[in-house]
Amino acid sequence: AQTVTQSQPEMSVQEAETVTLSCTYDTSESDYYLFWYKQPPSRQMILVIRQEAYKQQNATENRFSVNFQKAAKSFSLKISDSQLGDAAMYFCAYRSISNFGNEKLTFGTGTRLTIIP
Amino acid sequence: GAGVSQSPSNKVTEKGKDVELRCDPISGHTALYWYRQSLGQGLEFLIYFQGNSAPDKSGLPSDRFSAERTGGSVSTLTIQRTQQEDSAVYLCASSLNFGLRVDRETQYFGPGTRLLVL
Repeated sequence: AQTVTQSQPEMSVQEAETVTLSCTYDTSESDYYLFWYKQPPSRQMILVIRQEAYKQQNATENRFSVNFQKAAKSFSLKISDSQLGDAAMYFCAYRSISNFGNEKLTFGTGTRLTIIP
Repeated sequence: GAGVSQSPSNKVTEKGKDVELRCDPISGHTALYWYRQSLGQGLEFLIYFQGNSAPDKSGLPSDRFSAERTGGSVSTLTIQRTQQEDSAVYLCASSLNFGLRVDRETQYFGPGTRLLVL
């Protein structure tokens, strides 16, 4: 079974600065998907960024980028130019590439990000 | 609608009562998922539907929990004889799971139903 670990329960960053959230995972599969989701107080889980394990290039979405280290099984999220609206709980998630009964997401325990004005 | 919708937004019930939670996925999404988010257990997978069938119901915590999906669209999660430990936020998500779109495996979430069992 796959496991996802987020070792930072809480992080804070000054507005406009850069912050990196850590995520490691354990799997025996060679291909899979990794995701970062954001959950603000409104409770809605919002997709931030996704990465396919077979792609060597790190995914980027505007101010959000990942550092995907497949051999180390590490998938960190970097937020540049932090904004007040980035304050939320961030979850790292793993999904098997298989489409035969392994479609569920396995989540980490989350990192609560606070933005300091 | 454009996104996943869930109802009710909040539900307060008494221990021992049955509750039904509803999820309306994004139009055209063939896959639907239920998750539970609680303080002690984090985010847990409950059940997955592909069309109207459930190939993976391994996360349902007990036989008091059941779910169905009809018409390949709306899903209902039913909890019978609710217990206080059932108090949690129940999240629903949907995904395409087929086709050529690069995000076909990406799960899009609804706003959740917060269940409180007194």
